[in-house]
Amino acid sequence: EGQLVESGGDLVQPGGSLRLSCATSGFTFSSYWMSWVRQAPGKGLEWVANIKEDGSEKYYVDSVKGRFTISRDNAENSLYLQMNSLGAEDTAVYYCARVTYYYDSSASYGVWGAFDYWGQGTLVTVSS
Amino acid sequence: DIQMTQSPSSLSASVGDRVTLTCRASQGISNYLAWYQQKPGKVPKLLIYAASTLQSGVPSRFSGSGSGTDFTLTISSLQPEDVASYYCQKYNSAPWTFGQGTKVEIK
Repeated sequence: EGQLVESGGDLVQPGGSLRLSCATSGFTFSSYWMSWVRQAPGKGLEWVANIKEDGSEKYYVDSVKGRFTISRDNAENSLYLQMNSLGAEDTAVYYCARVTYYYDSSASYGVWGAFDYWGQGTLVTVSS
Repeated sequence: DIQMTQSPSSLSASVGDRVTLTCRASQGISNYLAWYQQKPGKVPKLLIYAASTLQSGVPSRFSGSGSGTDFTLTISSLQPEDVASYYCQKYNSAPWTFGQGTKVEIK
């Protein structure tokens, strides 16, 4: 069973930077796409970024493009999110999540999609 | 970008009721849709993927249907432990947008 543990959340001033980490175990990390999802206090879920198994493809929500960088270290079974130029709108609990892979029989090919394992989240607060 | 709209935003129903939640995509997404349950103060949990495939371990009272732009999550007999917020999410292409959620309460 997969386990994901985030760390690195903190109180940071507007304009500051922070690096989140997600340590994983219980599955072959290098074989899975991974993601970051965030949730502002009292709000809904927001997908932030995805990264391919080998790190060769990365995707971001528009609101963080150019400020956030997702990365991974397959040797360390770890996922990261470097966050720069933070603003109050980035205040949220940040979750790392594993992307599940399944075979779509109707399309006759495999599909990456949906988050089957989640970490417990780490809180990032941006405030002066 | 494709927008995901859930309705209603909240509902209150009695134990044993059949409950239907709706998710609509602004453009077709085939069946690349997932549903999640998030209980208060807890981590989201995957219920359904590929619009209608039940994730392992999820009770059979949960079911999903739909394709293209219109999707539903049905709870066949609402239980007290089903009090939660429910989110749909598309994953056909980036951005993997979530709906705004539906909060389910017991009447």
